[in-house]
Amino acid sequence: SYELTQPPSVSVSPGQTATITCSGDNLGAKYCCWYQQKPGQSPVLVMYQNSERPSGIPDRFSGSKSGNTATLTIRGTQTMDEADYFCQAWDINTRSFGGGTKLTVL
Amino acid sequence: EVQLVESGGGMARPGGSLRLSCVASGFTFDGSGMSWVRQVPGRGLEWISAINWSGGSRLYADSVKGRFTISRDNAKSTLYLQMDSLRGEDTASYHCAKDALYGGYDLWGQGTLVTVSS
Repeated sequence: SYELTQPPSVSVSPGQTATITCSGDNLGAKYCCWYQQKPGQSPVLVMYQNSERPSGIPDRFSGSKSGNTATLTIRGTQTMDEADYFCQAWDINTRSFGGGTKLTVL
Repeated sequence: EVQLVESGGGMARPGGSLRLSCVASGFTFDGSGMSWVRQVPGRGLEWISAINWSGGSRLYADSVKGRFTISRDNAKSTLYLQMDSLRGEDTASYHCAKDALYGGYDLWGQGTLVTVSS
């Protein structure tokens, strides 16, 4: 099965920039999506097709991909952004998730 | 209201079976690919199966291949997951999710809990 690697945790101060990475073999040939999940809630799609934001997602969220590593960047991080973030590789035969990154804002 | 509502979870013995259902409303179900994703409380997400809009194409994770079967009834706007030969490691909350137009899941159900234990 296809594996994606994320750092288990990232910490950032309010107002600073948070960067979460996601890497996997041949990820460059797949799309990457990102989800935000807060405790007790279902995941919310915050990025699709590597760098596209769904409607309703603040523009402080951005995504990029270089080679086999995708990156979710949150500029001007707010306390409400504290959550678990999961990447997902997406192509015709792949839907695998990364292990998740706990973002702490303090 | 646009929503997905799962049901059918509960307790099962190892080797037993359960059938999960996911009823969709508020969107064109027969135009959307769908998936099942599970999550052990406090742990990560695990994609387990996907089906295209017509049911003609199905994908499975290696961890469930040969044991689980995904299906859909577009007339009833309902997605199913037949789970056979259950194992302890199948214990999790099972969520159905709707494909977004360009990839990713833009709608999730709240999940139904499956516990496999003797």
